[in-house]
Amino acid sequence: KAGVTQTPRYLIKTRGQQVTLSCSPISGHRSVSWYQQTPGQGLQFLFEYFSETQRNKGNFPGRFSGRQFSNSRSEMNVSTLELGDSALYLCASSLAPLGRVVGPQHFGDGTRLSIL
Amino acid sequence: GESVGLHLPTLSVQEGDNSIINCAYSNSASDYFIWYKQESGKGPQFIIDIRSNMDKRQGQRVTVLLNKTVKHLSLQIAATQPGDSAVYFCAEMNPGNKLTFGGGTRVLVKP
Repeated sequence: KAGVTQTPRYLIKTRGQQVTLSCSPISGHRSVSWYQQTPGQGLQFLFEYFSETQRNKGNFPGRFSGRQFSNSRSEMNVSTLELGDSALYLCASSLAPLGRVVGPQHFGDGTRLSIL
Repeated sequence: GESVGLHLPTLSVQEGDNSIINCAYSNSASDYFIWYKQESGKGPQFIIDIRSNMDKRQGQRVTVLLNKTVKHLSLQIAATQPGDSAVYFCAEMNPGNKLTFGGGTRVLVKP
């Protein structure tokens, strides 16, 4: 069974640009969550999608947005990029929505985003 | 974003010894806890989980202990191997249905 797949693995952008990251969850998983990982702040929750609906959102500005498609694949978009957005962006999928404990989230290997 | 700490403690362990990684969680109402292992260049990998109605759970070479009285979680790795070298994160599921991660502990296994 294939794991969580994130594309691209690496991305370099400049300030002011926008970026879209993609995540394909494990087959059968309907919940997709996104996280930002930086050396200074660690792993921080961005948002969660389940059945194409955003269920939960972390404390990030509105420049960070996402969506989920009917096949459970998800995209995350960051607009007007800032230097501080440089991070590893991780996607995780699970069978059930967060809070309904039927199993853990499984992570992809992330997209490393560098802002110049 | 929610802050999860700036410093990464390091646990140095001799190959073959047992490792104990500790984690203090923040919300007494959290009801589900997970340990993840993250190797360089990869995403976090699920190790073991435990629900709040349990105080101990065992897996293959790993044991998780939960002490709700002091909001403490630990991961014990038996007979630590070089492949166990990684950063280990604990995570708690809080009533807001968000998974909050600890700052992580780096484990270095000495041959």
